[in-house]
Amino acid sequence: GAGVSQSPSNKVTEKGKDVELRCDPISGHTALYWYRQRLGQGLEFLIYFQGNSAPDKSGLPSDRFSAERTGESVSTLTIQRTQQEDSAVYLCASSPHLTGTNYGYTFGSGTRLTVV
Amino acid sequence: GNSVTQMEGPVTLSEEAFLTINCTYTATGYPSLFWYVQYPGEGLQLLLKATKADDKGSNKGFEATYRKETTSFHLEKGSVQVSDSAVYFCALLSGAGSYQLTFGKGTKLSVIP
Repeated sequence: GAGVSQSPSNKVTEKGKDVELRCDPISGHTALYWYRQRLGQGLEFLIYFQGNSAPDKSGLPSDRFSAERTGESVSTLTIQRTQQEDSAVYLCASSPHLTGTNYGYTFGSGTRLTVV
Repeated sequence: GNSVTQMEGPVTLSEEAFLTINCTYTATGYPSLFWYVQYPGEGLQLLLKATKADDKGSNKGFEATYRKETTSFHLEKGSVQVSDSAVYFCALLSGAGSYQLTFGKGTKLSVIP
């Protein structure tokens, strides 16, 4: 597609429920990233996918968080047993190469998750 | 570790005023530096970048110069417009093969007519 597409744009869920967030990267972009933006905070790195290599999961805050990506296509971020501190905007980005040094990343509009 | 510190907002300016948003960083090695902008309801967009000391990034009338001696990358614009109202994020990418952007907390700019 023309840009990075994320769905849903907004999600309200009850504490303890599982949620799944989706990201469609730009076609041909081999690298995909998930970031989290909590209110009044900068963006926190969560996870990185590059082609068929093992993902870098070092930013995932707990084992309730997981993410998958098949090849160079769609990625899903799953949060199990949601807690109120999970409330944030979850941003997905993609880039055509391993590093964003020369290209920067293209970000989606994000999914605003509210846990009540 | 790497970190980015931005001036706290919100910043409110009148149209045609001069804008400066300060950004300083701490990083290992020689990072690349970026400014991203997030317009209301949209994703982050790369505004400008600089990859080595003394480089000046520029775009849409905005400029920022990579100052290694002061570890700074301040964003400036000579005459802001209402359409520049957005949240601005300073970020860095550090190390060969690095892919994790480190972001500042963002500065919200409101420009009033």
